[in-house]
Amino acid sequence: AQSVSQHNHHVILSEAASLELGCNYSYGGTVNLFWYVQYPGQHLQLLLKYFSGDPLVKGIKGFEAEFIKSKFSFNLRKPSVQWSDTAEYFCARRGSSDYKLSFGAGTTVTVRA
Amino acid sequence: ETGVTQSPTHLIKTRGQQVTLRCSSQSGHNTVSWYQQALGQGPQFIFQYYREEENGRGNFPPRFSGLQFPNYSSELNVNALELDDSALYLCASSFSSKETQYFGPGTRLLVL
Repeated sequence: AQSVSQHNHHVILSEAASLELGCNYSYGGTVNLFWYVQYPGQHLQLLLKYFSGDPLVKGIKGFEAEFIKSKFSFNLRKPSVQWSDTAEYFCARRGSSDYKLSFGAGTTVTVRA
Repeated sequence: ETGVTQSPTHLIKTRGQQVTLRCSSQSGHNTVSWYQQALGQGPQFIFQYYREEENGRGNFPPRFSGLQFPNYSSELNVNALELDDSALYLCASSFSSKETQYFGPGTRLLVL
């Protein structure tokens, strides 16, 4: 079965710290990869996506992710977090000829002021 | 541009009952996908509708069924509710079955 693994269940940081969230996906040929964020009380929002091309993808709110095909990874990074980045983050994959998203279990990020 | 909307926001049912959840897709989108998100887990794919036809289905029993209407809005129906059906049900719409999916706020279902 196609799957996504997120390494950390809960991450606690101070403001201005750097953030890196791990995501590994199961092999399945060409894949599309996504990071979604769910802020408290809000719906899932797309942070960034990778379909092809430059493996370093920049998204909204200063987030970026790097696709490393040899490691089956798509880690999310932000150099300096803010209190408003407190949220749950989900990595998702879809086979390029597929229609459904497969999500990881999510990582809760708490940023302390 | 109107985003994805879902109704109702919350719902309480008892075991054995039936429920219908509704989703209006984002303007211009012809594809709707439904997901179930249990507490502390990532969303799990239920099924997808593309131009009024079921386009694919996840590992959910037949008592989970759906519809898509000519205006591309959609319904998710769950019969014979079980306690484990308690979850957040998410609807996502996209321009086509393989394009980026945009999510609605969800319907939180509690089965007692």
